[in-house]
Amino acid sequence: AQSVAQPEDQVNVAEGNPLTVKCTYSVSGNPYLFWYVQYPNRGLQFLLKYITGDNLVKGSYGFEAEFNKSQTSFHLKKPSALVSDSALYFCAVRSASGTYKYIFGTGTRLKVLA
Amino acid sequence: DGGITQSPKYLFRKEGQNVTLSCEQNLNHDAMYWYRQDPGQGLRLIYYSQIVNDFQKGDIAEGYSVSREKKESFPLTVTSAQKNPTAFYLCASSPLTGGAFRELFFGEGSRLTVL
Repeated sequence: AQSVAQPEDQVNVAEGNPLTVKCTYSVSGNPYLFWYVQYPNRGLQFLLKYITGDNLVKGSYGFEAEFNKSQTSFHLKKPSALVSDSALYFCAVRSASGTYKYIFGTGTRLKVLA
Repeated sequence: DGGITQSPKYLFRKEGQNVTLSCEQNLNHDAMYWYRQDPGQGLRLIYYSQIVNDFQKGDIAEGYSVSREKKESFPLTVTSAQKNPTAFYLCASSPLTGGAFRELFFGEGSRLTVL
């Protein structure tokens, strides 16, 4: 069965510092991996995705993520955090084979402190 | 502008009443999805549909029903059989062509509160 784990409910980081939001996954076959961001009472906005190729993926708003197949991880990173990055972040996975089901993690709340 | 429209944004209902949440997309996407969001539980899949007149149960389909009579529309009915319907409901869509490497596109959500 597919699953996604986001081990941290909340991550606090000072403005200007690098941030990492962790994600590990379990899926049969090759994974398609995604990161989304959600602001209060809004839908999810797409940040970036890994399909194949380069393990370092760059996305919107200066975010990037590193795919690590041996550790089955897809951590979200940003070199310098902004207060406006404070939001809820979701990791999601879909198997490259099988149904078109996207499975989401439980979310990590990022708080960037001024 | 292309996108996904969910309505209503806020909905209050009495216990025991059925409610229907609307989801319309003009992105010409084949697949549509309904997710439920509860604090600390992330997004859980209720139903999804890859083609008109066909849909599949997700992980928490009990107490919900859907229809897909048109490509653009995928309404969700929360029935009185759903034990705890108060939640934030998100509709999403995705194309299936073009290599199927595409992300989900989300609507702005509907918050249902059962009194």
